[in-house]
Amino acid sequence: LAKTTQPISMDSYEGQEVNITCSHNNIATNDYITWYQQFPSQGPRFIIQGYKTKVTNEVASLFIPADRKSSTLSLPRVSLSDTAVYYCLVDNMDSSYKLIFGSGTRLLVRP
Amino acid sequence: KAGVTQTPRYLIKTRGQQVTLSCSPISGHRSVSWYQQTPGQGLQFLFEYFSETQRNKGNFPGRFSGRQFSNSRSEMNVSTLELGDSALYLCASSPFFGTDTQYFGPGTRLTVL
Repeated sequence: LAKTTQPISMDSYEGQEVNITCSHNNIATNDYITWYQQFPSQGPRFIIQGYKTKVTNEVASLFIPADRKSSTLSLPRVSLSDTAVYYCLVDNMDSSYKLIFGSGTRLLVRP
Repeated sequence: KAGVTQTPRYLIKTRGQQVTLSCSPISGHRSVSWYQQTPGQGLQFLFEYFSETQRNKGNFPGRFSGRQFSNSRSEMNVSTLELGDSALYLCASSPFFGTDTQYFGPGTRLTVL
């Protein structure tokens, strides 16, 4: 399983766009990139998943360059309620599935 | 659809006791996974069940066990509790075995005194 590296923490202000980058140098051909969000004392929540280029949903965008060795989660116009820990995961769907969580990025959105 | 439910939400036990936690997956989901989350170790995979069979297991001692019933509901059991077992125990369900998106419950906060 590819190891991921993310910044430990980030600060932002309401209304700003936040970009969290994840490094996964050993990503395999079959691997997908998935991001989860977790609020204190709650279970993680799926945000977005992608394989290459760009994926967008109602919550976020995910940018993946051609070499796929990194990915960037983009949160447009964050609000206070976006304060959470964001996890980047890399895994494939070929084997029995267990999520390997790294340390995550603790995002603090200030007023 | 109702989400993943876990009971109880909070639990206090003493060392040496045993505990059973319950998880009801989203209706129609057949795979259930369990995770332990602690401030020191983060989120760690415990085991996954599909069709009443354990398909995958994390690196935890044999004191941690689980099972899945025919209705996909799952229980995990921890025997001979230790202080270090204090954690948030999370259950996640997904429609099939080996799928990507997992849907997590709110967790059970276990405190061992």
